[in-house]
Amino acid sequence: GAVVSQHPSRVICKSGTSVKIECRSLDFQATTMFWYRQFPKQSLMLMATSNEGSKATYEQGVEKDKFLINHASLTLSTLTVTSAHPEDSSFYICSAGGQPWVKNIQYFGAGTRLSVL
Amino acid sequence: GESVGLHLPTLSVQEGDNSIINCAYSNSASDYFIWYKQESGKGPQFIIDIRSNMDKRQGQRVTVLLNKTVKHLSLQIAATQPGDSAVYFCAEARVGSSNTGKLIFGQGTTLQVKP
Repeated sequence: GAVVSQHPSRVICKSGTSVKIECRSLDFQATTMFWYRQFPKQSLMLMATSNEGSKATYEQGVEKDKFLINHASLTLSTLTVTSAHPEDSSFYICSAGGQPWVKNIQYFGAGTRLSVL
Repeated sequence: GESVGLHLPTLSVQEGDNSIINCAYSNSASDYFIWYKQESGKGPQFIIDIRSNMDKRQGQRVTVLLNKTVKHLSLQIAATQPGDSAVYFCAEARVGSSNTGKLIFGQGTTLQVKP
């Protein structure tokens, strides 16, 4: 149980284009999903908290117009990197929590490697 | 400020030996801790968790120890195997009425297992 699927696993795009990353909870409902960014040999940096049916909550310093998050259902959240630039190249990881606030265990997707040329 | 950090960036152990990975946290309000394992190019995988009302919890080949007095958390891996090679992160959370569900991650320790 507690499987989170993330797609695509790798994407290469041209500068100026937009890229959409999907995060799905396959065997449980996730009212809250989280989006992280991770640079090589560094820890996970929380970008935003995605709540089903409402606007995402962004961490300080994260541009909400740059990183659009949509959480339309209890099993799907998407992150769109708009007008991507080479500095947006990174490893993006989503997670979902299975039991709201009983425990804060988050189950992670496999990540998306974004390379912007 | 609030932080969760790890003492050593890299730990190298011989296959079959026990591994101990350490983590320090600075916020005494933290009441829930999780250890994750991340293999190269993959997302973090849940290993074990512990609440602040406990000081020890055991899983399969893993033990987490919590010392609230010195704000220290450790992960012990028994009989370390090559498949244990990965980066290990501790994460901190605060459950309760003001819980946002967020986790605060430490910087990570790379565990290298020598055959």
